[in-house]
Amino acid sequence: DAGVIQSPRHEVTEMGQEVTLRCKPISGHDYLFWYRQTMMRGLELLIYFNNNVPIDDSGMPEDRFSAKMPNASFSTLKIQPSEPRDSAVYFCASRLADLTGELFFGEGSRLTVL
Amino acid sequence: GDSVTQMEGPVTLSEEAFLTINCTYTATGYPSLFWYVQYPGEGLQLLLKATKADDKGSNKGFEATYRKETTSFHLEKGSVQVSDSAVYFCALSDDAGNMLTFGGGTRLMVKP
Repeated sequence: DAGVIQSPRHEVTEMGQEVTLRCKPISGHDYLFWYRQTMMRGLELLIYFNNNVPIDDSGMPEDRFSAKMPNASFSTLKIQPSEPRDSAVYFCASRLADLTGELFFGEGSRLTVL
Repeated sequence: GDSVTQMEGPVTLSEEAFLTINCTYTATGYPSLFWYVQYPGEGLQLLLKATKADDKGSNKGFEATYRKETTSFHLEKGSVQVSDSAVYFCALSDDAGNMLTFGGGTRLMVKP
């Protein structure tokens, strides 16, 4: 079975541009999580979904960030407009409902905002 | 709120040395505890877990025991290999099991 698939793997953009990160969770998984990883702040949970519904978005830094999950096999994280401090590795993870804490992570999208 | 504290790295060891990475936590209720590993350029992978006090999780020669009395979940391995070089994250889940709180990560470097 394929794992969590993220795209793009690397994105370099200029400040002010819109960035869209994509995630395909493992088929059948009920939960999807977006994390951000930086040297300064470590791993931060941004938002998570259960059955495509956003449950907790309290980790989303500000209104420039938005996330959607239009169906069970696809989610996006959008930053508009992007800023240099958004530079980080963004991870998507998914899990089954009855395996609490057992997340399967994608390989991450490394974002650099110049 | 819940929090996880790990020893700061990097931890540098020679091959076949004994490994301990300390992890302590603060939580209300009865969390489950986890160790995740991140190899260079990859996402995190679950290494082991323990769901209640005195449980021992083990995998690939690594083990950790859930100590409620000391609120700890230290990771140990008797003989490390170069291939164990990675960043190790301790984590706990909330009572509902919906959210993971991660520690800051500890980088392990094993030299031949």
